[in-house]
Amino acid sequence: NAGVTQTPKFQVLKTGQSMTLQCAQDMNHEYMSWYRQDPGMGLRLIHYSVGAGITDQGEVPNGYNVSRSTTEDFPLRLLSAAPSQTSVYFCASSNREHGEQYFGPGTRLTVT
Amino acid sequence: GENVEQHPSTLSVQEGDSAVIKCTYSDSASNYFPWYKQELGKRPQLIIDIRSNVGEKKDQRIAVTLNKTAKHFSLHITETQPEDSAVYFCAAKGGGNKLTFGTGTQLKVEL
Repeated sequence: NAGVTQTPKFQVLKTGQSMTLQCAQDMNHEYMSWYRQDPGMGLRLIHYSVGAGITDQGEVPNGYNVSRSTTEDFPLRLLSAAPSQTSVYFCASSNREHGEQYFGPGTRLTVT
Repeated sequence: GENVEQHPSTLSVQEGDSAVIKCTYSDSASNYFPWYKQELGKRPQLIIDIRSNVGEKKDQRIAVTLNKTAKHFSLHITETQPEDSAVYFCAAKGGGNKLTFGTGTQLKVEL
């Protein structure tokens, strides 16, 4: 199993540009989440999904959209990038029964 | 929503000593408390977790204790080694599978 994969690993955007961060898992996990990690602030939940077709907002959802059309994929969209969105983004999946979150390798995003 | 506070933010210990990291949570409905270790430039990885029906759990040199009444839980690392140096995050999960993380503790194990 590849586990949780994320692409790209690094990305530089200009203010106002849009892009999609990709996340996929091959463990048949129902639950998937997106976090951002900023120095001194830990991991903050952006959006999460409890199954295909179901998404909900986390702690810091503004400026981000998600969709969950399949169990495997959970893309995160930035519609109009802002410098405040410069961060490291982690996708994670979990098995509902056990609750452990498996993290992807992360995407380092810089918005200039 | 849930609020998780973690202390200390940095911790320096001598090799072989014990390290303790403490977290408090606000939502009495939270029922799952994992601890993650993150090495520099890497993804967070689960090292131990505890559920609300258990007061203590141990895995070799690592242990976690939970006090539901006081709403706090702690990570204990004994006989610390240089490879224990990393950032450690506590987290609490309540309803809806929302996992709320603490702000992290930078642990440095000195030779």
